[in-house]
Amino acid sequence: QSALTQPASVSGSPGQSITISCTGTSSDVGTYNLVSWYQQHPGKAPKLMIYEGSKRPSGVSNRFSGSKSGNTASLTISGLQAEDEADYYCCSYAGTSTWVFGGGTKLTVL
Amino acid sequence: QVQLQESGPGLVKPSETLSLTCTVSGGFISSSSYYWGWIRQPPGKGLEWIGSIYYSGSTYYNPSLKSRVSIAVDTSKNQFSLKLSSVTAADTAVYYCARFLPHSDWFDPWGQGTLVTVSS
Repeated sequence: QSALTQPASVSGSPGQSITISCTGTSSDVGTYNLVSWYQQHPGKAPKLMIYEGSKRPSGVSNRFSGSKSGNTASLTISGLQAEDEADYYCCSYAGTSTWVFGGGTKLTVL
Repeated sequence: QVQLQESGPGLVKPSETLSLTCTVSGGFISSSSYYWGWIRQPPGKGLEWIGSIYYSGSTYYNPSLKSRVSIAVDTSKNQFSLKLSSVTAADTAVYYCARFLPHSDWFDPWGQGTLVTVSS
């Protein structure tokens, strides 16, 4: 069970859109539509942003969206705002009642 | 709304057992809909799922930690706990507890986290 692969960092200017990828294998992301995404500000606990690949919990801005193609899931943030600057983690079901997180991506709003 | 709070020693000696408790408030740990999980984050690094438990006692563990991990539930106290044996410096991390919804597979909410340092 290896960690899902995310880019270490991404950046964008206010108002722009960015996409964070999360690459797994046919044993996790590729087989199950059970990817969730979490936002973590420094010193804070993670916050659920997307579940089941593309669903948003109540209260999460519609600027956040999720998708999947093959073994790669993606989180897109549109209309970037300063408050979006944080670390983002993906998580996927990996079969046999186990779950695996990605290594995390630091988003910088320029 | 449901809130979770981790508690336990912040310093553990190498080779000893790390023990943490998560107290659930605003809801019942015996809810049939949810599991309860532990996730950790070494300083400056990413998240790692440790394991999850159902109120009935069914447990699921990260294969890489399975030989050292034990998670238990105490429905009378609305708590669940984590024990990690034979710790080393590599187990130094912020430990989070979280509620987990199966079949949708999300962790929410999370506790604030507690830093456990392994050092002599």
